[in-house]
Amino acid sequence: SYVLTQPPSVSVAPGKTARITCGGNDIGSKTVHWYQQRPGHAPVLVIYYDSDRPSGIPERFSGSNSENTATLTISRVEAGDEADYYCQVWDSSSDDVFGGGTKLTVL
Amino acid sequence: QVQLVQSGAEVKKPGASVKVSCKASGYSFTRYALHWVRQAPGQRLEWMGWINAGNGTTRYSQKFQDRIIITRDTSARIGYMELSSLRFEDTAFYYCARGLMTTVTHFDPWGQGTLVTVSS
Repeated sequence: SYVLTQPPSVSVAPGKTARITCGGNDIGSKTVHWYQQRPGHAPVLVIYYDSDRPSGIPERFSGSNSENTATLTISRVEAGDEADYYCQVWDSSSDDVFGGGTKLTVL
Repeated sequence: QVQLVQSGAEVKKPGASVKVSCKASGYSFTRYALHWVRQAPGQRLEWMGWINAGNGTTRYSQKFQDRIIITRDTSARIGYMELSSLRFEDTAFYYCARGLMTTVTHFDPWGQGTLVTVSS
């Protein structure tokens, strides 16, 4: 099976940059998508195909993917960014397409 | 706008079945896939399966293979997910999400979620 590893939590002060990682074996050769899930709400796509941003998602959200780590970067973090973030990757060896999720806390 | 609206909350007894619906609007229903994802309280997202809304082909996660059926009604633009032999640990929010007809699709948008509670 293909395992996606995310840190359980990341904390950042308002106005700073948050980086949320998603680790996987040779994940750089795969396609990574990212979702934001605020408490009590359904997930929302924030990055797709490693680094593309859906319409309506602020430019502060960006993504990268290389070798064994994909990264979601949130610049100029705001209180409203506080949420759980999930990476998603398809691999033929696994039905577990989501990482374990990272709780972003804005201090 | 593209929207998925799901049916309301359900309470079921262990051993029973539940069928959740997902009504699509704002896009060509048969040109996309419909995926189902669940999330137990405080837990990660868990992919369950998907249906090609055009030709009805399905693929299920091995974890649910024996007790899940995903269908669709193209005239009504509704997708369905039926889970049988319910257990306490099936208590979760169940989401539908639109996907592309590719093997590397993302999910966008998502339905609002349906809470299924399994309780005796």
